[in-house]
Amino acid sequence: QSVLTQPPSVSEAPRQRVTISCSGSSSNIGNNTVNWYQQLPGKAPKLLIYYDDLVPSGVSDRFSASKSGTSASLAISGLQSEDEADYYCAAWDDSLSGFVFGTGTKVTVL
Amino acid sequence: EVQLVESGGGLVKPGGSLRLSCEASGFTFSNAWMSWVRQAPGQGLEWVGRIKGKTDGGTSDYAALVKGRFTVSRDDSKQKLYLQMNSLRTEDTAVYYCTTGRFGDHYPGYWGQGTLVTVSS
Repeated sequence: QSVLTQPPSVSEAPRQRVTISCSGSSSNIGNNTVNWYQQLPGKAPKLLIYYDDLVPSGVSDRFSASKSGTSASLAISGLQSEDEADYYCAAWDDSLSGFVFGTGTKVTVL
Repeated sequence: EVQLVESGGGLVKPGGSLRLSCEASGFTFSNAWMSWVRQAPGQGLEWVGRIKGKTDGGTSDYAALVKGRFTVSRDDSKQKLYLQMNSLRTEDTAVYYCTTGRFGDHYPGYWGQGTLVTVSS
């Protein structure tokens, strides 16, 4: 059972914008940085966002993220078919002394 | 280029043991904090455990579900990470990924391709 809650799925038409929420608590998101990962079907996860809102080189600038209090969010603008994947938020949890992942969100491009 | 290559997965009976390996290259392995993350079929990602780098003491931390059954270790001379899994349960069936930090935060940044462990009688 994950301590970070995400919506199971989101869907939107091509070229539109979607946001994925990630709800945590003071022991994880509220006190530590958030990473976001993209997992394409059948592939290993890939780091999408680090240190709450930084985008690694090589990742499209259509991806952005933010954090406020004990919640974080990922936005994908100009949605493309290649963005269809599962997305996970993650953060260190001080109470559990472990790295926790969100429940995951499946993005579907209509 | 950072590369992480896992091996050692396979079919094992409940109660059995298995050791996974991860061969690392492209970075200073001895100082890197290394983690194992797993994913059960059709399920989400789950952090299993980590081992700190040499300069940070080389100690390990584990998720509650595997603590006492799994052991993360490393051989810096071979640039290899290991996951010794004992008293395996059917619920340990998953793809196991080897990961390391990418931006100095010690969290999963680079990932291997994963190795499948199936626990079944």
